[in-house]
Amino acid sequence: QVQLQESGPGLVEPSETLSLTCTVSGGSISRHHWSWIRQPPGKGLEWIGYVYRSEYTKYNPSFESRVTISIDTSKSQVSLRLSSVTAADTAVYYCARDALGQLAHTWFDPWGPGTLVTVSS
Amino acid sequence: QSVLTQPPSVSGAPGQRVTISCTGSSSNIGANYDVHWYQQLPGTAPKLLIFGNNNRPSGVPDRFSGSKSGTSASLAITGLQADDEADYYCQSYDNNLSGWVFGGGTKLTVL
Repeated sequence: QVQLQESGPGLVEPSETLSLTCTVSGGSISRHHWSWIRQPPGKGLEWIGYVYRSEYTKYNPSFESRVTISIDTSKSQVSLRLSSVTAADTAVYYCARDALGQLAHTWFDPWGPGTLVTVSS
Repeated sequence: QSVLTQPPSVSGAPGQRVTISCTGSSSNIGANYDVHWYQQLPGTAPKLLIFGNNNRPSGVPDRFSGSKSGTSASLAITGLQADDEADYYCQSYDNNLSGWVFGGGTKLTVL
């Protein structure tokens, strides 16, 4: 059974870069799209982007200028970097796997438990 | 503002039936992409509730059902129980974004 676990600093200063890691256990990291999804406090879910193997990435245009998602297959880890953060980037950040290994009709399963990142000085 | 539109809240008494709508457009639900639903209890990650418009994962009671027509989808919950109180989100794929989109979420209150 695949399990995901996010990790990284819980506090980031404004204008700095937010960096998170998602460690995947119990399954292959090579056959699926791995996404980062965030949820600001009291608000809804927002898809940030995905990485597929080491070759393909796709980002939500809302983040495209300042986001990088990468994958380290040797460590079974997926990483998120979000630069120039502001208080509006305060959110719970989730990593999630697409269930089918394809784009169009897939859903997210499983999800990691999420990690709260607060942007504040 | 979310690409998929859901009512902010719905409510119902125990035992009753409620529905939650999810309205999209020709670039997502109307483009024949599947709709999926998640249940999120307070302080927890979203949990898959319905996939592929109307399929339940193992362990999800048949009180939960999904449907899709045109540019919209719906989640129905029958026999409401107190522990159904949660936030519910729809999700699909969008051509314009070339990525995934969510509804804004609906808070279900069991009266």
